[in-house]
Amino acid sequence: KNEVEQSPQNLTAQEGEFITINCSYSVGISALHWLQQHPGGGIVSLFMLSSGKKKHGRLIATINIQEKHSSLHITASHPRDSAVYICAVLDMRFGAGTRLTVKP
Amino acid sequence: DTGVSQNPRHKITKRGQNVTFRCDPISEHNRLYWYRQTLGQGPEFLTYFQNEAQLEKSRLLSDRFSAERPKGSFSTLEIQRTEQGDSAMYLCASSLPIIGTGELFFGEGSRLTVL
Repeated sequence: KNEVEQSPQNLTAQEGEFITINCSYSVGISALHWLQQHPGGGIVSLFMLSSGKKKHGRLIATINIQEKHSSLHITASHPRDSAVYICAVLDMRFGAGTRLTVKP
Repeated sequence: DTGVSQNPRHKITKRGQNVTFRCDPISEHNRLYWYRQTLGQGPEFLTYFQNEAQLEKSRLLSDRFSAERPKGSFSTLEIQRTEQGDSAMYLCASSLPIIGTGELFFGEGSRLTVL
């Protein structure tokens, strides 16, 4: 079993829909990262969080340390949100990523 | 540009040759990480440095792989006697150690193709 599990692996949504991507981990952590990777592009850090909730524009990340679970939400999704979203913990154990496609 | 810089961006080599990648982190970042990513997969941790000290190495880092960060600034990742299975994107990231784990800044990666 991977130390970091993401779901779903693939997600297709219509523009405007509310998106949720989940991340569960099995190791103790001090912080969790949500990353975004566009096709052929580099990786951009979206959030680093160790408790509670963070919001940046249409993106919201939450974490429950006791349950070892984090979620990334995208409100009012847009085709430009299409990318792979990756969660990473500790000394950089990565989930396999969630490939999001938002259709116009 | 003050971001993380990697070069070369692309490298095509024949099996058995040696290759070296370079990473220049953001100047004040003392943590530097190397990862490998194959198509459709998330990045896999290879190794990381705090200043010039290599603090952790993944089991993925076989004897053919070596990484250095001699002055605590730029880092090199060398792969000796390349194999076709080494074909991947090699990513570098840097961070400050904020409360144990700082926000990561990634380079664009160095794509290796071994023929």
